[in-house]
Amino acid sequence: DTGVSQNPRHKITKRGQNVTFRCDPISEHNRLYWYRQTLGQGPEFLTYFQNEAQLEKSRLLSDRFSAERPKGSFSTLEIQRTEQGDSAMYLCASSSPDRAIREQYFGPGTRLTVT
Amino acid sequence: KQEVTQIPAALSVPEGENLVLNCSFTDSAIYNLQWFRQDPGKGLTSLLLIQSSQREQTSGRLNASLDKSSGRSTLYIAASQPGDSATYLCAVYSGGGADGLTFGKGTHLIIQP
Repeated sequence: DTGVSQNPRHKITKRGQNVTFRCDPISEHNRLYWYRQTLGQGPEFLTYFQNEAQLEKSRLLSDRFSAERPKGSFSTLEIQRTEQGDSAMYLCASSSPDRAIREQYFGPGTRLTVT
Repeated sequence: KQEVTQIPAALSVPEGENLVLNCSFTDSAIYNLQWFRQDPGKGLTSLLLIQSSQREQTSGRLNASLDKSSGRSTLYIAASQPGDSATYLCAVYSGGGADGLTFGKGTHLIIQP
């Protein structure tokens, strides 16, 4: 059991640049979630995939943000034209297809700093 | 809109004490509730999950209770140790089209050796 992995762990970028993060869920999990966490706050939900379908997007997910999950395996989160307000920890989680459980397991996160 | 509140925001206690962390949520129509631990700069570790039909769950020195009708959950930590120092987050899952977890801001816990 390798758990949820995320890459890179840290990313420093200049304002206006594009960045892309990757998440690899637990292999048998068909549900994948992205969250954003700023200092002193709990994580906030961004978007959710069931297999390759993106089924829900928060209003926090502006037009500059896009997420994909090709073939229902790993997922990428891209932020275009980054702003200083995008600085945060980006967390990925996955959960089992078993309706009775729905326990979410989180990865270590990608910390983004926009300078 | 579901809102989750955690009290206290911070807590510092001597090693060995038993302690209780509180979580409240505004909409009782939840599917489950999870307690997480987060160490500084790290991801979240799931501690306990309570289904809406359950009243409590136990894992080692941790016990979580759920009173769905009153919108409350507590996390009880017995015989606290310095290694328990972390931020503890409560999150509810409502399902039915709201598939993300809704989190509280967490309780920052320090156990003094």
